[in-house]
Amino acid sequence: QLHLVQSGAEVKEPGTSVKVSCRPFGGTFRSLSLAWVRQAPGQGPEWMGRLIPVFGTPNYAQKFQGRVSITADESTSTLYLELRSLTPEDTAVYYCARARNSDHLFDYWGQGTLVTVSS
Amino acid sequence: DIVMAQSPDSLAVSLGERATLNCKSSQSVLYSSNDKNYLAWYQQKPGQPPRLLIYWASTRESEVPDRFSGSGSGTDFALTISNLQAEDVAVYYCQQYYMTPYTFGQGTRLEIK
Repeated sequence: QLHLVQSGAEVKEPGTSVKVSCRPFGGTFRSLSLAWVRQAPGQGPEWMGRLIPVFGTPNYAQKFQGRVSITADESTSTLYLELRSLTPEDTAVYYCARARNSDHLFDYWGQGTLVTVSS
Repeated sequence: DIVMAQSPDSLAVSLGERATLNCKSSQSVLYSSNDKNYLAWYQQKPGQPPRLLIYWASTRESEVPDRFSGSGSGTDFALTISNLQAEDVAVYYCQQYYMTPYTFGQGTRLEIK
């Protein structure tokens, strides 16, 4: 049984960056396909990107290209999402989720990290 | 991008009755080489992450009650909940995983009448 544990809530000012972490328990970190999905208040989820640590190269949604980085620290088995140049429209709950096999359907989710962007 | 449109936005159904939620994709999510529809359904309760219910349009995830069923192909899909229970109150999302970016619908809120 896989369990994804995320870092705590963040409050950021516009124009700054945020870095959210996700640590899986119960799986082999290097081979997991891990994605970041965000959900703004009252809206549907939105896929941001994915990384399989053993391959090292992330895939990003075009919408976030140039502003997002998904990285993995294999020494601590931790996945990171960094989002830069924040605006109030980035206020959302950010989830890490496992993408099953090579398909982008998400069967395990973290508890979510609320990021609030406000001056 | 593939746009996923769900209908209705909200739905109220009596306990024990059937609820039908619809999802339409702006282009087909049927992959002809394997005859699979790259369409999933999720349930989300307040304060919780989404929970995977159905994938390949009609395959029920393990431990999901058999009153949940998925149907459809190509661009038109439905999630049917039979014998509605109080614990089924939630927002339901469809998602295509046919091509990037992997998009979700805006959700259907299901309530008890």
